[in-house]
Amino acid sequence: GAGVSQTPSNKVTEKGKYVELRCDPISGHTALYWYRQSLGQGPEFLIYFQGTGAADDSGLPNDRFFAVRPEGSVSTLKIQRTERGDSAVYLCASSFEGSGNSPLHFGNGTRLTVT
Amino acid sequence: AQSVTQLDSQVPVFEEAPVELRCNYSSSVSVYLFWYVQYPNQGLQLLLKYLSGSTLVESINGFEAEFNKSQTSFHLRKPSVHISDTAEYFCAVSEYSWGKLQFGAGTQVVVTP
Repeated sequence: GAGVSQTPSNKVTEKGKYVELRCDPISGHTALYWYRQSLGQGPEFLIYFQGTGAADDSGLPNDRFFAVRPEGSVSTLKIQRTERGDSAVYLCASSFEGSGNSPLHFGNGTRLTVT
Repeated sequence: AQSVTQLDSQVPVFEEAPVELRCNYSSSVSVYLFWYVQYPNQGLQLLLKYLSGSTLVESINGFEAEFNKSQTSFHLRKPSVHISDTAEYFCAVSEYSWGKLQFGAGTQVVVTP
């Protein structure tokens, strides 16, 4: 079956612009996560959705970052007034129920470059 | 707060040789431990996990990891690697059994003939 799909795979934007990154989770997965991976580092947790609501957004670095999941399926990560330090690979993952018995399934990520 | 240290950023290894990837963590609470693998041009995949019970956990492709609470370690081992094991391996820890993970910086394993 289809895995987690992230679009676009690459995004280049200018400093100060607004960007949206999309994640299509595996069908039926109620839990959805966003992570950010900077060069040479491991993924860093950003936000976790259980259904439509953000159960934990403690990883969002500041108020320029926002994520939604209005129908409990597709999620969009939104970044306002992008900065060069936002350049990273943004990873989305989903799991069946958000418990330890449900492994995370990661997408291939969106590589964001802010020039 | 937790932290994860992967002591080796890159490990070159010959085919059929053993490999050990080291992972140490720090946490003030009980944790769950994971190893994820990222093959070239693919997304991260769960390799194995320790949630409770036996401290030795195994994956379907011959990797094993042992949770050592006193040494706060969760090292990953394989007695004989294949070319196809070339990948980046990430150790992760969580105080929750679900997906809020703290990852290490990763260890790149390069297997050569």
